Amino acid sequence: EMQLVESGGGLGKPGGSLRLSCAASGFTFINAWMSWVRQAPGKGLEWVGRIKSKTDGGTTDYAAPVKGRFTISRDDSKNTLHLQMNSLKTEDTAVYYCSTMDGGGAFHYWGQGTLVTVSS
Amino acid sequence: DIQMTQSPSSLSASVGDRVTITCQASQDITNYLNWYQQKPGKAPKLLIYDASNLETGVPSRFSGSASGTDFTFTISSLQPEDIATYYCQQYNNLPFTFGPGTKVHIK
Repeated sequence: EMQLVESGGGLGKPGGSLRLSCAASGFTFINAWMSWVRQAPGKGLEWVGRIKSKTDGGTTDYAAPVKGRFTISRDDSKNTLHLQMNSLKTEDTAVYYCSTMDGGGAFHYWGQGTLVTVSS
Repeated sequence: DIQMTQSPSSLSASVGDRVTITCQASQDITNYLNWYQQKPGKAPKLLIYDASNLETGVPSRFSGSASGTDFTFTISSLQPEDIATYYCQQYNNLPFTFGPGTKVHIK
């Protein structure tokens, strides 16, 4: 059974850093393109960024609000996706979901999400 | 960025009713559009991909169609377990963008 489990959420301070992880199981992670999608409290869905599989270049793309502050990486030896969040802003407060995606742009499987709260 | 709009923002219907949600893109996205269902406190779930293809395991009462930059999502016979917020999402261009959502209630 495919499973994605996010961790690392919690309280961060403005200007601070947090690192989220997403542990994957039940599928061939090394071949998967992965994304992070976030949802601010009571709001809609916002794509954060994606990372391609290493065989497809391993490149990353980011949404404008996080570009230069967030970094997506993957550890294929541990079937784990990471989101390094630096220079946190209060508007980064959200539930962060990791998801698998196909080579197009559909988010097929999602984790349960992890809540990040940025507040002083 | 491509802007996605959805209408209505919320609706109330009876069990067994046909429910239709529309999504419009600010520019041509071909058929690069997906639909998701999100129940309260849960992660979103992919229902329809490429505008009209049903994701594996999704009940056949859900369907999608496209006409130009307008997209339609239909529940042919609303069930109590369909209470959720539905989002469209384009992937024609980066950044991927979602519609604001349509909240479906039972009357």
